[in-house]
Amino acid sequence: AQKVTQAQTEISVVEKEDVTLDCVYETRDTTYYLFWYKQPPSGELVFLIRRNSFDEQNEISGRYSWNFQKSTSSFNFTITASQVVDSAVYFCALRGGAGSYQLTFGKGTKLSVIP
Amino acid sequence: EPEVTQTPSHQVTQMGQEVILRCVPISNHLYFYWYRQILGQKVEFLVSFYNNEISEKSEIFDDQFSVERPDGSNFTLKIRSTKLEDSAMYFCASSDRGQGHNEQFFGPGTRLTVL
Repeated sequence: AQKVTQAQTEISVVEKEDVTLDCVYETRDTTYYLFWYKQPPSGELVFLIRRNSFDEQNEISGRYSWNFQKSTSSFNFTITASQVVDSAVYFCALRGGAGSYQLTFGKGTKLSVIP
Repeated sequence: EPEVTQTPSHQVTQMGQEVILRCVPISNHLYFYWYRQILGQKVEFLVSFYNNEISEKSEIFDDQFSVERPDGSNFTLKIRSTKLEDSAMYFCASSDRGQGHNEQFFGPGTRLTVL
């Protein structure tokens, strides 16, 4: 069975601080896919990034960066120089390989950025 | 930019009533999904749909639930006899292919309140 653990329920940071959101996953699949979604207060789910299990390169997109470590089954998300608009719930999700369509979500981390 | 749309944004119903939640996936997408999120909890997979049939479903998706693509653009979720515990945000999603590396794009959600 797939499982995603986001141990941090809530995090508060002051604007311009860096913050890292942790994600640990479990799967028996040799090929799998990891995702991060953002859920702002308005409620929609916004896709942020996808990472394939066979591609361990880290990725940077503006103030966002992702650290995929297969050895520790982690896919952590860092926001550099946080802004108030980053305040949201962030979900890490996992999808297995062939034959599986569903995303398994973690419980989410609520990030509050204080001005 | 193309997006998934959902109607209504909020539906209030009495226990035991039937509800139909509607979604219009992104036009060239072939795979469709429903997820739900009970208030304050994680997002849970309900069902995936491809080529006019269910391709995968979770334990939550019991006989009270059904999905349909009644025409070339809409994708619906029907709950036959709603229960109090069906109160949740229901998200529709779509992807252009079913493989794991294809990200699912989510609609804004329909908040269902069962009284």
